[in-house]
Amino acid sequence: SQQGEEDPQALSIQEGENATMNCSYKTSINNLQWYRQNSGRGLVHLILIRSNEREKHSGRLRVTLDTSKKSSSLLITASRAADTASYFCATDGSTGANNLFFGTGTRLTVIP
Amino acid sequence: EAQVTQNPRYLITVTGKKLTVTCSQNMNHEYMSWYRQDPGLGLRQIYYSMNVEVTDKGDVPEGYKVSRKEKRNFPLILESPSPNQTSLYFCASSFRGDEKYFGPGTRLTVL
Repeated sequence: SQQGEEDPQALSIQEGENATMNCSYKTSINNLQWYRQNSGRGLVHLILIRSNEREKHSGRLRVTLDTSKKSSSLLITASRAADTASYFCATDGSTGANNLFFGTGTRLTVIP
Repeated sequence: EAQVTQNPRYLITVTGKKLTVTCSQNMNHEYMSWYRQDPGLGLRQIYYSMNVEVTDKGDVPEGYKVSRKEKRNFPLILESPSPNQTSLYFCASSFRGDEKYFGPGTRLTVL
């Protein structure tokens, strides 16, 4: 399977703390994306990092990519209760940009 | 407002009764796709389309059909639904296949 795998499956932290989620994948990629999903709702795109990039920032989000280890991490700094959601990494594989392969997600709970 | 809409949002049906889930986007995106989400399995692509009249199978196409007669619409058709198609379905669109915009989801139950 080309699916990414997130780790941990679930994470519970206090508001204000940082949250780190990891993603590992199996095949070569053109880019890796992170999405967020509130319970039962559609996914929302957070950030895209290309294979030739090592780190990217967007607001309180920081994503790193290590293509030699086929892994990525998502850091959310100064977490808020509203960050409570599931977070998914998605890779495009090397065959094309349209088929994204999603992991099973990390369920983040931020306790106020 | 840029958005992907899906209808219906919830549907309970019986085995064998044909149904269609509609998907429409207002962003003039070329790429559209359907995913299903199941516990423990994440999201899996059913079908995708790179433009009008161009469709192809994803990872789990069995039991589904799609059509792309207009750029904005990409309906998902279940000719003879079965209980193993009970799932949460998402339509998504994108420009050139990068950042995807997802619809709100359709929760389908097949009895």
